[in-house]
Amino acid sequence: ILNVEQSPQSLHVQEGDSTNFTCSFPSSNFYALHWYRWETAKSPEALFVMTLNGDEKKKGRISATLNTKEGYSYLYIKGSQPEDSATYLCAFNTGFQKLVFGTGTRLLVSP
Amino acid sequence: SAVISQKPSRDICQRGTSLTIQCQVDSQVTMMFWYRQQPGQSLTLIATANQGSEATYESGFVIDKFPISRPNLTFSTLTVSNMSPEDSSIYLCSAEGGGFNIQYFGAGTRLSVL
Repeated sequence: ILNVEQSPQSLHVQEGDSTNFTCSFPSSNFYALHWYRWETAKSPEALFVMTLNGDEKKKGRISATLNTKEGYSYLYIKGSQPEDSATYLCAFNTGFQKLVFGTGTRLLVSP
Repeated sequence: SAVISQKPSRDICQRGTSLTIQCQVDSQVTMMFWYRQQPGQSLTLIATANQGSEATYESGFVIDKFPISRPNLTFSTLTVSNMSPEDSSIYLCSAEGGGFNIQYFGAGTRLSVL
C-alpha cells in the first residue's frame, strides 16, 4: 500500500506571511507528483505536475520543489492572501494512471 | 483542460436508500475516476470507468455497493447503494485530460446519511 503523507494537517497564518507545506511519498516507482488546490465547494484545481528530481515550478506566488531520491516535495506560498485559503493536496503517480492522494494541508489566511 | 459538471452538489439521505451521482464532461475522455473522501481521510479511489467496459474497482470497493455506468465518452454515474451512515462522505468524479495523468475534477457531492 502506497503511503503519501502531508504536513502540517492545518495551518493558520496572517495575510502577508509566507508559508510552506511538505508532501512525503515513496522514493521508488516514481513517475510524477501532482499538487492540487481545493477550495470549499469547488473543484480541486491542478497546480503543478512535477516529474524530474530537482524540479522547481512556479505559478504566481506559489512554487514547488521536488526531491525524488528522498521522496518529498515542498509547496511554498509567498505573501499569503485570504484567497489562498484552501486545502492543498499532493498526489503520487506511479505511471499506471492512478493517483494516490495525501490527506491534505488545510490553509487558512486571516486578513 | 476539461470542465466537469457534477450533481447533486449535496444531499441528505435516509439509511437503506440509494443515491446516483452524475458527472458530465465538456469533452470526450477515455478514462473517468470516482473517489471518496471520508471525514479526516484522503481522497480514495473507488473505481476507474472506461467507456464500453466494466469499471475496475479498487480493493475494498465492490460493484454491488457502488455500481458505475459509463454509457459514452462524456458521461458517468456512480450509485451509492443501500446507504448507511458510514457512507457519509464527499464523492468526486474526475477525468484524465493531460500529460502525466493530470486529472480534472468535478466539485464533489457532499453526502450525509441519517
